[in-house]
Amino acid sequence: DAGVIQSPRHEVTEMGQEVTLRCKPISGHDYLFWYRQTMMRGLELLIYFNNNVPIDDSGMPEDRFSAKMPNASFSTLKIQPSEPRDSAVYFCASSFHWTAYPDTQYFGPGTRLTVL
Amino acid sequence: SQQGEEDPQALSIQEGENATMNCSYKTSINNLQWYRQNSGRGLVHLILIRSNEREKHSGRLRVTLDTSKKSSSLLITASRAADTASYFCALSSNTGKLIFGQGTTLQVKP
Repeated sequence: DAGVIQSPRHEVTEMGQEVTLRCKPISGHDYLFWYRQTMMRGLELLIYFNNNVPIDDSGMPEDRFSAKMPNASFSTLKIQPSEPRDSAVYFCASSFHWTAYPDTQYFGPGTRLTVL
Repeated sequence: SQQGEEDPQALSIQEGENATMNCSYKTSINNLQWYRQNSGRGLVHLILIRSNEREKHSGRLRVTLDTSKKSSSLLITASRAADTASYFCALSSNTGKLIFGQGTTLQVKP
């Protein structure tokens, strides 16, 4: 398997523009997670899905952020409108839970977002 | 906070020395995981230790878990320059998600 795939790897945009980040999880995984990492705040969980259904979006900072998972092999994280403080590295991760508890997560390479 | 607290925040050692990182937490856990992140890359899973385990080994890695003290340690033996990275502990409970600590930055000097 190719692992978790994210695109684009780098995104530079201007304030006010819409940004869409994409993720393809590992085939067969039933959980998908979106994280944001900054020097100031560390690694933050934004939202996660189980079997394509959003379970916990309490980490989504504002209504400007939205995430979808239309099928088991694709998810998007959208920021509209973007602001400079959204600049960060965004990671997608997927996992398969053998039990009711979180197991190993496999991270993608991340998307480095810069909002000017 | 559910988050793991890692100690030290930064560690610098010479190649060949051992590196020890600690993680303390406050909640009940099902398992505790350690991840490594090289600069500019995603996190990579290193090892998982379940709440009913006390010690686990994987190559040059040794993880211990003391649930009575709510703490875990990661030991890297005979460190190499390639071990230079940030190391994170992650707590797994019944919420379905992992809670990551702030990480320990390890620098191994050749």
